[in-house]
Amino acid sequence: AQKITQTQPGMFVQEKEAVTLDCTYDTSDPSYGLFWYKQPSSGEMIFLIYQGSYDQQNATEGRYSLNFQKARKSANLVISASQLGDSAMYFCAMARGAGGTSYGKLTFGQGTILTVHP
Amino acid sequence: GAVVSQHPSRVICKSGTSVKIECRSLDFQATTMFWYRQFPKKSLMLMATSNEGSKATYEQGVEKDKFLINHASLTLSTLTVTSAHPEDSSFYICSARDPRIAGDRTYEQYFGPGTRLTVT
Repeated sequence: AQKITQTQPGMFVQEKEAVTLDCTYDTSDPSYGLFWYKQPSSGEMIFLIYQGSYDQQNATEGRYSLNFQKARKSANLVISASQLGDSAMYFCAMARGAGGTSYGKLTFGQGTILTVHP
Repeated sequence: GAVVSQHPSRVICKSGTSVKIECRSLDFQATTMFWYRQFPKKSLMLMATSNEGSKATYEQGVEKDKFLINHASLTLSTLTVTSAHPEDSSFYICSARDPRIAGDRTYEQYFGPGTRLTVT
């Protein structure tokens, strides 16, 4: 079975500082995808970044980067130059690889509430 | 990117009534849609996978007769909460995969804005 673990219920960061949100995963599938989503208080799920299990390089999207350490099964999100608007709940998620009835299903972590202080 | 809409965004219903939530893919045809439930400050829990033209696949513990899912077209899936009770109050979110996307991003899902259901 797949499992995503986010061990930080809440994180605080000063505006303009960088912050790392932790995510570890467990799967026996050789092929999978890892995602980070931001959920502000409005409830919408905003896609931030994606990392494929076979990607050699860490994914980056603007101020977001994913620190992918496959051997450790970790996929931490790094937000550089935090902004007040980054305050939200952040979810790490994993999609199962090809084959089987579970293909494409997302398993979510517990989430981390990030608060950016001015 | 692809756009998914949900309607209504908020609904209040009385206990014992049924309520229908619609999920639409606006600019692509979604052969597969997913329905999630989320309690306040909690994670998203997958309820079921909706496939166009076939029966939905429910996750363990989800009551099929209570949460009816219909994926009648390539752009519309509906979730009907039947005989709603206060404990069904929650935030329901749908998502859809764009089958045109292949390669690295094939797993990506596009989320609707969610529906907040309150059962009184």
